[in-house]
Amino acid sequence: DSGVTQTPKHLITATGQRVTLRCSPRSGDLSVYWYQQSLDQGLQFLIQYYNGEERAKGNILERFSAQQFPDLHSELNLSSLELGDSALYFCASSPRLDRGLGGELFFGEGSRLTVL
Amino acid sequence: KNQVEQSPQSLIILEGKNCTLQCNYTVSPFSNLRWYKQDTGRGPVSLTIMTFSENTKSNGRYTATLDADTKQSSLHITASQLSDSASYICVVSAERGANNLFFGTGTRLTVIP
Repeated sequence: DSGVTQTPKHLITATGQRVTLRCSPRSGDLSVYWYQQSLDQGLQFLIQYYNGEERAKGNILERFSAQQFPDLHSELNLSSLELGDSALYFCASSPRLDRGLGGELFFGEGSRLTVL
Repeated sequence: KNQVEQSPQSLIILEGKNCTLQCNYTVSPFSNLRWYKQDTGRGPVSLTIMTFSENTKSNGRYTATLDADTKQSSLHITASQLSDSASYICVVSAERGANNLFFGTGTRLTVIP
């Protein structure tokens, strides 16, 4: 158990709909990262927050948005869903600001989104 | 361009055999390299992390090596078990930059009895 909690574990919805994925980082971790993993693909970085503020942005679509709340949990909002958005969405947390400088990434178990 | 390439894409081995997975990178300036294990449908779990000065690091039956001069790393699995079946992901960090973490696409290992 990494200590990172993601909900829901599974989600099935229709095209055009909007969903919200939730992540609770490990206790004390200030950074939250979101990744998308499509079927048999590698992890694609979407966005990072540190202590409530956006820190870095990856290949995140304009239809997607995220935020980190004062209690440090984060939500990823996906709107106007398309079939191609079906994927596993992972959240990871790290206590270090700059994830490259030795900070360990702890991943949640992911939220599997299926768009029909 | 910062890239991480892994080989082979997939590998099937018999239980009890050893195997070696490769990771080549062009990330610069280099900070550290990590190997993660990802079981199907689960989140990645860290196996090892190595900095520039480290040549080898072990975690049980997993041994990672790093050659910073040739920008290559390998993950050696000894006496494989069925539970080793997973994807193994190489992740390289750059010293600076907001998006400074680069992921390989992974090697999918299948261990058969």
